[in-house]
Amino acid sequence: LAKTTQPISMDSYEGQEVNITCSHNNIATNDYITWYQQFPSQGPRFIIQGYKTKVTNEVASLFIPADRKSSTLSLPRVSLSDTAVYYCLVGWNTGGFKTIFGAGTRLFVKA
Amino acid sequence: KAGVTQTPRYLIKTRGQQVTLSCSPISGHRSVSWYQQTPGQGLQFLFEYFSETQRNKGNFPGRFSGRQFSNSRSEMNVSTLELGDSALYLCASSPRLTINSYEQYFGPGTRLTVT
Repeated sequence: LAKTTQPISMDSYEGQEVNITCSHNNIATNDYITWYQQFPSQGPRFIIQGYKTKVTNEVASLFIPADRKSSTLSLPRVSLSDTAVYYCLVGWNTGGFKTIFGAGTRLFVKA
Repeated sequence: KAGVTQTPRYLIKTRGQQVTLSCSPISGHRSVSWYQQTPGQGLQFLFEYFSETQRNKGNFPGRFSGRQFSNSRSEMNVSTLELGDSALYLCASSPRLTINSYEQYFGPGTRLTVT
């Protein structure tokens, strides 16, 4: 049973802003929310991590509401090279601490 | 800094055999995690090692095991291979600045094919 929920796929055009939302209703109190990007046949690449409110780095922003039951990864002005799968990751303490990746969102950027 | 390295990159084994995969983390990172990725199940967490101790474990049978050495390098072993073990095995290292932080850096993976 999946613990995080993301859209399966999204399409966008070059230059647009893309927002991908992840739902994580039962996130543990002190867990961080982390997002990764993965290209085919490569390991995931760390994009951004946050605990609450908003975090911004040189490639993305992460918005986390006060209840922390969801988070939104924002990619400004996407390009063709941003076509990839994006994963939302939260820890999961269910009597045996585990890390669970979401199913991932396949973003396809068109020219 | 050099990234996470994994060896071998590709491997073909026969059912019933065992296999050992190796991972060298980023220098200074003490946490090493292993994941299995398949088209059907996606990215699944196997286990995490920190300072030579297994700290977290996913839902995999006992045929999957691992260890970490004093230099933080890690190995995972799969015994009695099954066809369903064919997958991309990914290693990730982390500075683990806080226990609930999941900033990880992944290696390129080992593609295991079981025939």
